Amino acid sequence: DVKVTQSSRYLVKRTGEKVFLECVQDMDHENMFWYRQDPGLGLRLIYFSYDVKMKEKGDIPEGYSVSREKKERFSLILESASTNQTSMYLCASSTATPLAGAINEQYFGPGTRLTVT
Amino acid sequence: RKEVEQDPGPFNVPEGATVAFNCTYSNSASQSFFWYRQDCRKEPKLLMSVYSSGNEDGRFTAQLNRASQYISLLIRDSKLSDSATYLCVVNPTLSGGYNKLIFGAGTRLAVHP
Repeated sequence: DVKVTQSSRYLVKRTGEKVFLECVQDMDHENMFWYRQDPGLGLRLIYFSYDVKMKEKGDIPEGYSVSREKKERFSLILESASTNQTSMYLCASSTATPLAGAINEQYFGPGTRLTVT
Repeated sequence: RKEVEQDPGPFNVPEGATVAFNCTYSNSASQSFFWYRQDCRKEPKLLMSVYSSGNEDGRFTAQLNRASQYISLLIRDSKLSDSATYLCVVNPTLSGGYNKLIFGAGTRLAVHP
């Protein structure tokens, strides 16, 4: 089974702190994604990466950065946390190109609920 | 206008009922479509893909109407364990390389005894 793990389930940080959220996948997937999920808004893509050291902005990258130094690990960084970054953060991974006829499914980690006070 | 829109619900139905959810998408060039399921305080998981010809997996049937740009999910003989939030998901691009997905905000289903 694919396993995507995230470093923390719950995190409380103060405004202005630098926050690191770590994500690790064990399926040798090329693609990795960071989303945030807020009530009524669904999942919104922050950043994604299609290869080591490669990254692309998603729909809401402001206030975030990412790092992918190894294929299995994708980190989300909040340079200076703010209260409007309080949210559920979900990491996901997928293959680059599915096998013929297969679905290119995204596999999610359990999420990190971040509270910024 | 949101790219993917769903009725948030909740849909409260008794066990054994049939329930249907619809979802509309704005990008007519969207290529592939899915339903994901998210249990309370858990991560989303793929439930099924949606094809133009319609597809069925046990009690679940998904259909796509490209002309009207909507996707549906039908659940027959609802079980208590079907209680969850159902996310409508669209892949707007031809390129599968990046596999970017657009998620709806979800429809909550509560099945009661």
